[in-house]
Amino acid sequence: DTGVSQDPRHKITKRGQNVTFRCDPISEHNRLYWYRQTLGQGPEFLTYFQNEAQLEKSRLLSDRFSAERPKGSFSTLEIQRTEQGDSAMYLCASSHEGTGLISPLHFGNGTRLTVT
Amino acid sequence: AQTVTQSQPEMSVQEAETVTLSCTYDTSESDYYLFWYKQPPSRQMILVIRQEAYKQQNATENRFSVNFQKAAKSFSLKISDSQLGDAAMYFCAYRSPNFGNEKLTFGTGTRLTIIP
Repeated sequence: DTGVSQDPRHKITKRGQNVTFRCDPISEHNRLYWYRQTLGQGPEFLTYFQNEAQLEKSRLLSDRFSAERPKGSFSTLEIQRTEQGDSAMYLCASSHEGTGLISPLHFGNGTRLTVT
Repeated sequence: AQTVTQSQPEMSVQEAETVTLSCTYDTSESDYYLFWYKQPPSRQMILVIRQEAYKQQNATENRFSVNFQKAAKSFSLKISDSQLGDAAMYFCAYRSPNFGNEKLTFGTGTRLTIIP
């Protein structure tokens, strides 16, 4: 168990550019979640996957945001035409769930995005 | 939609003393899960303790315990024998058991300072 890995740790980009973040969950985990956290706030849910299926998307996830989890392994979160309001910490978490089994989320260290 | 409220933005406690962090939530569901997560400075979020709403007994994990009052929709965290390593942001979170609506909803957090 190497934990949830996120890459990069920090990203600075200019407004209008596209950025992509990667998350590698714990290997046996079938659930993968993306959250956004701004300074002084709790994490806000963006979307989650069970295996490769995207089960829920928050209304926070505008058309500029897209997430994928091909083959149910790693996931990518892309933000197109970044805006200064996108500056935040983007957290990935994973869990293993089955019938009658609910496990807590294991979080990565996050990717801190700064849009200038 | 469920909401989670943490009314104490900051708390402090003397080392070795006991502190209680407050959390209230709003839901129309009868079954659900509650969590406390800890986020140390510049480090990843980790689970502290969890509680299933159908269980009347309050959860405990070593020095951490909860006071779960279902009727009052209150879920406070008690930390006994506070240690310097307990300094962190603490987030209360709610989770629905319903498939497709299983995201964690977080409160805004309480910053806990331990005074040596």
